[in-house]
Amino acid sequence: EVQLVESGGGLVKPGGSLRLSCAASGFMFSDSGMNWVRQAPGKGLEWVSSITSGGNYIYYADSLKGRFTISRDNAKNSLYLQMSSLRAEDTAVYYCATYSGSYLPLWGQGTLVTVSS
Amino acid sequence: SYEVTQPLSVSVALGQTARISCGGSNIGNKNAHWYQQKPGQAPLLVIYRDNYRPSGIPERFSGSNSGNTATLIISTAEVGDEADYYCQVWDRDTVIFGGGTKLTVL
Repeated sequence: EVQLVESGGGLVKPGGSLRLSCAASGFMFSDSGMNWVRQAPGKGLEWVSSITSGGNYIYYADSLKGRFTISRDNAKNSLYLQMSSLRAEDTAVYYCATYSGSYLPLWGQGTLVTVSS
Repeated sequence: SYEVTQPLSVSVALGQTARISCGGSNIGNKNAHWYQQKPGQAPLLVIYRDNYRPSGIPERFSGSNSGNTATLIISTAEVGDEADYYCQVWDRDTVIFGGGTKLTVL
């Protein structure tokens, strides 16, 4: 079955760090660019970061640069998002998604990150 | 930075055609994509590259893109089409989402 499964979310204090993971299966992960997209409670979709299939090119939303780091391990069919200096406004469901050309055809179910003291 | 604008809400009578717009400067020169999101679920791609349907998406879903407006068209609207819909474009190595439109089927 073609799927993406996120993990690693949870409750973290402001200023803390968290590492999200996304496990891919059912398709050639090493051939696929990947994204992280987040959605704050009751809000719309916000793109976080992209990484190309080989990890050579990485892009971030301007508002997040310096705090979040995207990476991947093609041998483990896994995508990661290292988040640091977390703030209350980072509270959201974080989705991983593939990209094909310019669109995102496959999404995981998401993992909830709550930043609160 | 590039921005796209969607109406907050659209209503459509059961069985009629719903049109959800996505405005952006010369968006017709870009590929527009559309996602459906129901409560508690992940987004689902329903239209890509302006007017292509992924496998499994009903023919009732179509799209257009010209000038400064891309449009998602849902014909013969069903209660099950009630959801939030997001347009998306790619600009300068960034993914850009519209703010989302809540579709209500009356």
